[in-house]
Amino acid sequence: QPQLQESGPGLVKPSETLSLTCTVSGGSISNSGYYWGWIRQPPGKGLEWIGSIYYSGSTYYNPSLKSRVTTSVDTSKNQFSLKLSSVTAADTAVYYCARHPTITGSYDPWGQGTLVTVSS
Amino acid sequence: QSALTQPPSASGSPGQSVTISCSRTNSDVGSYNYVSWYQQHPGKAPKLMIYEVTKRPSGVPDRFSGSKSGNTASLTVSGLQAEDEADYYCSSYAGSNNVVFGGGTKLTVL
Repeated sequence: QPQLQESGPGLVKPSETLSLTCTVSGGSISNSGYYWGWIRQPPGKGLEWIGSIYYSGSTYYNPSLKSRVTTSVDTSKNQFSLKLSSVTAADTAVYYCARHPTITGSYDPWGQGTLVTVSS
Repeated sequence: QSALTQPPSASGSPGQSVTISCSRTNSDVGSYNYVSWYQQHPGKAPKLMIYEVTKRPSGVPDRFSGSKSGNTASLTVSGLQAEDEADYYCSSYAGSNNVVFGGGTKLTVL
């Protein structure tokens, strides 16, 4: 199984854009036939699917976040990325990246997660 | 408020069996055979334990099993062990390329 690792700023100001990258090692994103997704977990709360991107570039977003989310893939770096605009304190969470074989779910494996705090 | 409803807590003694439920009133769970279950230990990333209602990924003990009846999916952990103490989350495909999660159940091994 590949390993996934999230990276990006741990602190973002309100109204700004949160940007995270997930680096995949031990497997190629290109022509993988897999989806690459983002899931978040506010402190002490449950999980929420944010969005996913197919290896070919097709994107799929949670309807509740769709207006603020953008995902992209960089096959040359074996990375995929998340941008969440106009953030508020409610976007404070641990953000995970994960691989999944179909758009229906089954996220496996996951990255270790990165905490992003939205605060001025 | 989570899209899928799980009991906040469950418990059992070592060796016993415990079942955690996952339901949704507008029948996401009932309409699709795409229910997954994840185990999360404190400070760790979730781990896939069950997918497509009943299937176990390689390496997951057969003490973990999944089922579904109507709009309710269930995860059963048999022969409880101390290391099974964790939070468990269900997820379901909700149609239109959307996936929803439950609020999580804290499993305590007494």
